[in-house]
Amino acid sequence: GAVVSQHPSWVICKSGTSVKIECRSLDFQATTMFWYRQFPKQSLMLMATSNEGSKATYEQGVEKDKFLINHASLTLSTLTVTSAHPEDSSFYICSARDRTSARYNEQFFGPGTRLTVL
Amino acid sequence: QKEVEQNSGPLSVPEGAIASLNCTYSDRVSQSFFWYRQYSGKSPELIMSIYSNGDKEDGRFTAQLNKASQYVSLLIRDSQPSDSATYLCAVSPGTASKLTFGTGTRLQVTL
Repeated sequence: GAVVSQHPSWVICKSGTSVKIECRSLDFQATTMFWYRQFPKQSLMLMATSNEGSKATYEQGVEKDKFLINHASLTLSTLTVTSAHPEDSSFYICSARDRTSARYNEQFFGPGTRLTVL
Repeated sequence: QKEVEQNSGPLSVPEGAIASLNCTYSDRVSQSFFWYRQYSGKSPELIMSIYSNGDKEDGRFTAQLNKASQYVSLLIRDSQPSDSATYLCAVSPGTASKLTFGTGTRLQVTL
């Protein structure tokens, strides 16, 4: 149980284009999803928290107009990197929490999406 | 001061030995504590959660929490080469709250 998928697993795009990353909870309803970014040899940095049906809460320093988050259903959240630039190249990972579960404190991570912007 | 601190390592232990990973945190109101394992190039995998002082055991893994000392540790018994990974400590201020991660400790289990 508690399986989270992400698509695509990797993407290469040109500078200035937009990239959409999907995060799905496969066997539970994720009332809350989180988006992280991880640069090489660094720890995970939380970008934003999204709750189904409401606006995402962004962490300080994260541009909400650049990183668009949509949590339209209980099993799907999307992150769109708009007008991507090489400095946006990173490993983007989502996690999900099942608030109806006894393990609701725990976050389960997707496999990640490696974004390379040329 | 970092919110969650871990020794970056690498921590090298021989196969079959006990690996001891440590984590300290600065926020006294922290209530939930987690250990994640992350293989190179992969996403984190939850291996242990602990919420109250004392020890919690799950197979070869034991998490230890001391809130007074703001300290949480992970022991891995009978270490295997497959345990070689980066171990991330994560802390949350309450129930169902966002996590703050440490930078991780890289563990190497040698043959």
